[in-house]
Amino acid sequence: DTGVSQNPRHKITKRGQNVTFRCDPISEHNRLYWYRQTLGQGPEFLTYFQNEAQLEKSRLLSDRFSAERPKGSFSTLEIQRTEQGDSAMYLCASSSDPVMKQYFGPGTRLTVT
Amino acid sequence: DQQVKQNSPSLSVQEGRISILNCDYTNSMFDYFLWYKKYPAEGPTFLISISSIKDKNEDGRFTVFLNKSAKHLSLHIVPSQPGDSAVYFCAASAGNNRLAFGKGNQVVVIP
Repeated sequence: DTGVSQNPRHKITKRGQNVTFRCDPISEHNRLYWYRQTLGQGPEFLTYFQNEAQLEKSRLLSDRFSAERPKGSFSTLEIQRTEQGDSAMYLCASSSDPVMKQYFGPGTRLTVT
Repeated sequence: DQQVKQNSPSLSVQEGRISILNCDYTNSMFDYFLWYKKYPAEGPTFLISISSIKDKNEDGRFTVFLNKSAKHLSLHIVPSQPGDSAVYFCAASAGNNRLAFGKGNQVVVIP
């Protein structure tokens, strides 16, 4: 069990640029989740995959956000035309059926200037 | 709307004493509850969980109590250790896999 990994750990970008984050879940986990956390708040759900299928998306996930998990392994989260309000910690988590416990990665901290 | 609420944002406790963290929820469909611990610059780490069919779950120094009628759960840490200093998040699920989190409680254990 090598844990959930996320890259990059930090990203600074200028407003209007596109950014992409990667998440590698625990290898045998079929479920993968993305959350966003801002200062003073708990993580907020963004989207969820079971294998390669994206089964649920939060209304927080605007049209500028897209997530993929092409082969049911790693996942990417892309934000197009970044805005200052996108600055946050983006967390990835994984779990395996039927266990509901989610294991989190270290997160990617995004700063939009 | 905040479906999971953690009041008393910070707690200071002497090493060796008990830490008690409280969590209230509003969604009666929640059937699984978890506590996570988070250090700065790290992701949340799972601590302990409880299903709605139970009212208590214990794992070492950590015990979670669930009162369904009051929509309330609590985490007890005894004895508290300096390494327990962190932010603690209460989370809940309605069986649809997404977790709803509270805002967290900062715990400081004083040696």
